[in-house]
Amino acid sequence: NAGVMQNPRHLVRRRGQEARLRCSPMKGHSHVYWYRQLPEEGLKFMVYLQKENIIDESGMPKERFSAEFPKEGPSILRIQQVVRGDSAAYFCASSPQVGGSPLHFGNGTRLTVT
Amino acid sequence: GQQVMQIPQYQHVQEGEDFTTYCNSSTTLSNIQWYKQRPGGHPVFLIQLVKSGEVKKQKRLTFQFGEAKKNSSLHITATQTTDVGTYFCAGRSPNAGGTSYGKLTFGQGTILTVHP
Repeated sequence: NAGVMQNPRHLVRRRGQEARLRCSPMKGHSHVYWYRQLPEEGLKFMVYLQKENIIDESGMPKERFSAEFPKEGPSILRIQQVVRGDSAAYFCASSPQVGGSPLHFGNGTRLTVT
Repeated sequence: GQQVMQIPQYQHVQEGEDFTTYCNSSTTLSNIQWYKQRPGGHPVFLIQLVKSGEVKKQKRLTFQFGEAKKNSSLHITATQTTDVGTYFCAGRSPNAGGTSYGKLTFGQGTILTVHP
């Protein structure tokens, strides 16, 4: 049973470039969550998606950030025109349902903006 | 909005000592989850508490959910070097407006260091 797959593990981008982070949820999971983590800090909620729908994007910055979870394929977190402050670990998690389901996290993508 | 505060932020213990981290929510929770993140790793689910006053044990770990369902604690007895990592609580708010979605809010985490 493959867990939550995130790629790439490490991503280096220059300021102004675009970053695309991918997340394939566990088999049978249709709920995806993206979190951002700075060193020695907590997990900041960004967005919650179900297949083809954004359910809660209250944690997403208003500009440059977008997320999707298409009917086919992985969920994508897209950051346009990256800035140094975007450097962080981005974790994706999935669950089979909401309510009482625990989250299964991927290994994360470490984004470094130079 | 809902806030989940966790203390302490850091805890250094000698191997064999006990450790406790506390979690407080600004609002009543429907349930609370605990996760552990090893250095350089990803959060891993430990346990979920649902009922008021609930206590659950996993070997040397004891988890409690407060009577008012606004606070929780994790206690580790006789810490070992394998306990090193960051422990997060995550509180789930009650379902909003009849939907099935209750937002999960993470605390800042407690970073545990165990000295051999």
